[in-house]
Amino acid sequence: EVQLVESGGGLIQPGGSLRLSCAVSGFTVSTNYVSWVRQAPGRGPEWVSIIYKGGDTYYADSVKGRFTISRDESKNTVYLQMNSLRAEDTAVYYCARVPLAANGPPYFFDFWGSGTLVTVSS
Amino acid sequence: DIQMTQSPSTLSASVGDRVTITCRASQNIKSWLAWYQQKPGKAPKLLIYRASSLDSGVPSRFSGTGSGTDFTLTVSSLQPDDFATYYCQQYNSYSTFGQGTKLEIK
Repeated sequence: EVQLVESGGGLIQPGGSLRLSCAVSGFTVSTNYVSWVRQAPGRGPEWVSIIYKGGDTYYADSVKGRFTISRDESKNTVYLQMNSLRAEDTAVYYCARVPLAANGPPYFFDFWGSGTLVTVSS
Repeated sequence: DIQMTQSPSTLSASVGDRVTITCRASQNIKSWLAWYQQKPGKAPKLLIYRASSLDSGVPSRFSGTGSGTDFTLTVSSLQPDDFATYYCQQYNSYSTFGQGTKLEIK
């Protein structure tokens, strides 16, 4: 059974740093595309970042230079290091998997975690 | 950046109704469009990808059409479990979601 479980969210002051974790089971992070998607209160989802099967990484312009996605294949876990946090980064952060058999651009998602809340406030 | 515009923002309907939600992209996204259903406090659930392909386990009352810039999601006969918020998502160039359509009970 495919599962993704996020952790690491919390209350952080503006300018601070936080690392989110996404522990997966039922598939391996080294052979799948995994993304982070966030959703601010009352808003639609916003794609944040993706790590490709081959290890390439991509980011939304809103987080480029501040956030870093990585993975630990031995732990089957994907991370999101978030630095220089701003109030507008406040959201529920989800990790999500691209379908194995997807053809075309790998940016839609068939399995999602339940999310972890990040609140940036003084 | 590609912008996605959904209409309407809110839709009131009854069980058994046929409803349609529209999504327009600011530029040609071919057929790289997905639809999701989201309930309060839950993650989005994939319904349709590549504009018209139903994800595994999704009831056949859901259908999607369109290509280029104009797309629709139709629910042929609303069931009580279908009242939720629906989002379109383009994935032709990275990813952008629409602002959502809340489907509520009339």
